[in-house]
Amino acid sequence: DAGVIQSPRHEVTEMGQEVTLRCKPISGHNSLFWYRQTMMRGLELLIYFNNNVPIDDSGMPEDRFSAKMPNASFSTLKIQPSEPRDSAVYFCASRTGTHYNSPLHFGNGTRLTVT
Amino acid sequence: AQSVAQPEDQVNVAEGNPLTVKCTYSVSGNPYLFWYVQYPNRGLQFLLKYITGDNLVKGSYGFEAEFNKSQTSFHLKKPSALVSDSALYFCAVTGTYKYIFGTGTRLKVLA
Repeated sequence: DAGVIQSPRHEVTEMGQEVTLRCKPISGHNSLFWYRQTMMRGLELLIYFNNNVPIDDSGMPEDRFSAKMPNASFSTLKIQPSEPRDSAVYFCASRTGTHYNSPLHFGNGTRLTVT
Repeated sequence: AQSVAQPEDQVNVAEGNPLTVKCTYSVSGNPYLFWYVQYPNRGLQFLLKYITGDNLVKGSYGFEAEFNKSQTSFHLKKPSALVSDSALYFCAVTGTYKYIFGTGTRLKVLA
């Protein structure tokens, strides 16, 4: 079990540039979550996929953010254009099963810095 | 609406002493409660969960948590703290697909 894999680990970009974060969930997990972590707001759920379908994107801050899950083993979170306030650590997490008592498995995150 | 509160931003404890990290929750219906730990530059790692049954739940690394329905609490405990337990701890509750996380408590174990 390789765990949830995120890339890149660090991303530094200039304001206005497009940023794409990538996630490979654990094989067999059918639920995928994107979270953002900042000191000010803690952990925020951005979007939730179940069986590759976006179920809840109410946490996506604005239209500059978009997420896709083209297949069960890959998801992307894109920010276009990026702004300094998007600087945060972005986590992907996956979960097996359909019952809500299954624990989340987190990747090690992507630390995004927008200058 | 579901919510979780971690009333302490930081807890300091001497190595070898027992530790407690507090969590209270608010949820309609029966709660599913979790504890996670986060080490620097890492993602959250699952420690333990309560679904139903025995109020004392045992988890990884010698941690345990006590579910108290009347006080709506789910405190994390360990009988003897290690310096390596120093990390950020998150309590979470769910009853739907959404996990509601607390703000985190930084545990510092002093040698």
